[in-house]
Amino acid sequence: AQSVSQHNHHVILSEAASLELGCNYSYGGTVNLFWYVQYPGQHLQLLLKYFSGDPLVKGIKGFEAEFIKSKFSFNLRKPSVQWSDTAEYFCAVNTGGFKTIFGAGTRLFVKA
Amino acid sequence: DAMVIQNPRYQVTQFGKPVTLSCSQTLNHNVMYWYQQKSSQAPKLLFHYYDKDFNNEADTPDNFQSRRPNTSFCFLDIRSPGLGDAAMYLCATSRDGTQYFGPGTRLTVL
Repeated sequence: AQSVSQHNHHVILSEAASLELGCNYSYGGTVNLFWYVQYPGQHLQLLLKYFSGDPLVKGIKGFEAEFIKSKFSFNLRKPSVQWSDTAEYFCAVNTGGFKTIFGAGTRLFVKA
Repeated sequence: DAMVIQNPRYQVTQFGKPVTLSCSQTLNHNVMYWYQQKSSQAPKLLFHYYDKDFNNEADTPDNFQSRRPNTSFCFLDIRSPGLGDAAMYLCATSRDGTQYFGPGTRLTVL
């Protein structure tokens, strides 16, 4: 069965530290890849997505993610986090059709 | 602003008492989804509609039903809620694979 794994359930960083959140999926075919974010008290919203083309995609608020097909990975990065990046981050994969599989999420806490 | 709205935001029901959660959208998207999300877990797809075409996930319990009377509205009916159905229920719409989520309804079962 298709699945999405997020390696870290909780991450604590100080402001200005660099961030990398891991995401791996299990599916050998063509995929569309997403990172969604949920800020405290807010709804899930799109951070960035990859459908095709340049495997390095840039999203809102300085986030980027790199699709490495050979590693079945789509890791999220930010060079310097801010306190306002405190949120829960979900990796998600669509393998065609209407169904998207979500990872269990990573809770990021940024210390001011 | 175009958006996905869910009502109520918090719902308390008694064990076995039917409950209906509602979702509306102003995005005019064809696809609507219902997810169940429990604490520290991934959102779990219950079902989705493409227009009026209903698609049930194989592992969605029969206790969960859905209605979509028109493009804008979609309802989740839980016929006999059990304690294990306490969760956050998320509605989403989709265009081009990107999903747009509502704020969710947190269901408590007493």
